[in-house]
Amino acid sequence: IAGITQAPTSQILAAGRRMTLRCTQDMRHNAMYWYRQDLGLGLRLIHYSNTAGTTGKGEVPDGYSVSRANTDDFPLTLASAVPSQTSVYFCASSASQGAASPLHFGNGTRLTVT
Amino acid sequence: AQSVTQLGSHVSVSEGALVLLRCNYSSSVPPYLFWYVQYPNQGLQLLLKYTSAATLVKGINGFEAEFKKSETSFHLTKPSAHMSDAAEYFCAVRTQTGANNLFFGTGTRLTVIP
Repeated sequence: IAGITQAPTSQILAAGRRMTLRCTQDMRHNAMYWYRQDLGLGLRLIHYSNTAGTTGKGEVPDGYSVSRANTDDFPLTLASAVPSQTSVYFCASSASQGAASPLHFGNGTRLTVT
Repeated sequence: AQSVTQLGSHVSVSEGALVLLRCNYSSSVPPYLFWYVQYPNQGLQLLLKYTSAATLVKGINGFEAEFKKSETSFHLTKPSAHMSDAAEYFCAVRTQTGANNLFFGTGTRLTVIP
């Protein structure tokens, strides 16, 4: 079934450690996104990529980095995790960066930083 | 800048009753509006979208929403609730000038009482 695959499903991480969340899509979508979901705050954009080779910052980019070496993969890296990065992380993609193009979401990675 | 406000973080309805989930948007340019549903431990799934073609939009699972520019609203309705509708619902807005981000409301948790 076509869609977005995120890994791992969940992770407990010690503060200060480095972590990469993986995201792969097989829909050949141009645009990809990383959101974090926190109770009472909805979803907030961390980083985005409109096409392979380009990335941009969202609402809450501090402490996170991304890369987009090809169309399918969009990993999110926490260089030195802190407890405030405990959250559920969702990767998403859309066929284009146009406003009418809906986002398709993966099932998320639940990250706990201790 | 654009944003959405979802009135009521929790809504309870009886099985068979009308479902009404409220969403008001703020945007200085024509908006594109979306409703997503999230079931426990899953990603977000698109229910429907408004992209200016028609003000009454029909989505999956019997849901529909009406765009009312005069009221800056995009409320989600379903005539008869099913137990399987219990989930969290998110309204979101995107514009051509800010197309890199889909701005989400804080969500409404729908409980269906048998």
